[in-house]
Amino acid sequence: AQRVTQPEKLLSVFKGAPVELKCNYSYSGSPELFWYVQYSRQRLQLLLRHISRESIKGFTADLNKGETSFHLKKPFAQEEDSAMYYCALSGQAAGNKLTFGGGTRVLVKP
Amino acid sequence: GAVVSQHPSWVICKSGTSVKIECRSLDFQATTMFWYRQFPKQSLMLMATSNEGSKATYEQGVEKDKFLINHASLTLSTLTVTSAHPEDSSFYICSARGRGWSLEQYFGPGTRLTVT
Repeated sequence: AQRVTQPEKLLSVFKGAPVELKCNYSYSGSPELFWYVQYSRQRLQLLLRHISRESIKGFTADLNKGETSFHLKKPFAQEEDSAMYYCALSGQAAGNKLTFGGGTRVLVKP
Repeated sequence: GAVVSQHPSWVICKSGTSVKIECRSLDFQATTMFWYRQFPKQSLMLMATSNEGSKATYEQGVEKDKFLINHASLTLSTLTVTSAHPEDSSFYICSARGRGWSLEQYFGPGTRLTVT
């Protein structure tokens, strides 16, 4: 069965500092990995997906199949990055359904 | 972009009653809709997947007779919590996927259900 693990429940960083959110997964087959973000009192929205290989709001994530990881990084955190971040996995072996990690709350302090 | 709405945004009901939550895709046809449940400070747990015109597929451990899902049109899916009890109090979130999309889903804003 597929599983997504986000080991950190809370990450607290100062504005301008780098931030890295860890995500590890287990999956049989070729997964598709996503990062979703949920700002306070807002709906869940897609931040980025690995096949796009793009940077959104300064965030990047690289799929490392050897380490089964999809860590999210941003070199200079901003206060508006404070939110809940969820790593998610999908794929044909998962019935094209999303499996979410437990989430990491990011708090960027001024 | 694709917009998904939910109604109501919050509802309070008495134990033993039933409550219906609507999920609508506003600017696209949703061939597949998903219903999730989110407990406070926890992640989203998939409850069921519904395809337009067919019966919903429930995840293991989800009571299909308690959580009735109907996906009667390409823009509307409903979740009815029957004979609600306080332990059903939770945040219910739907998402929708359009025809021909790969794996992308757009999420509704969620409905907070409180059963007293």
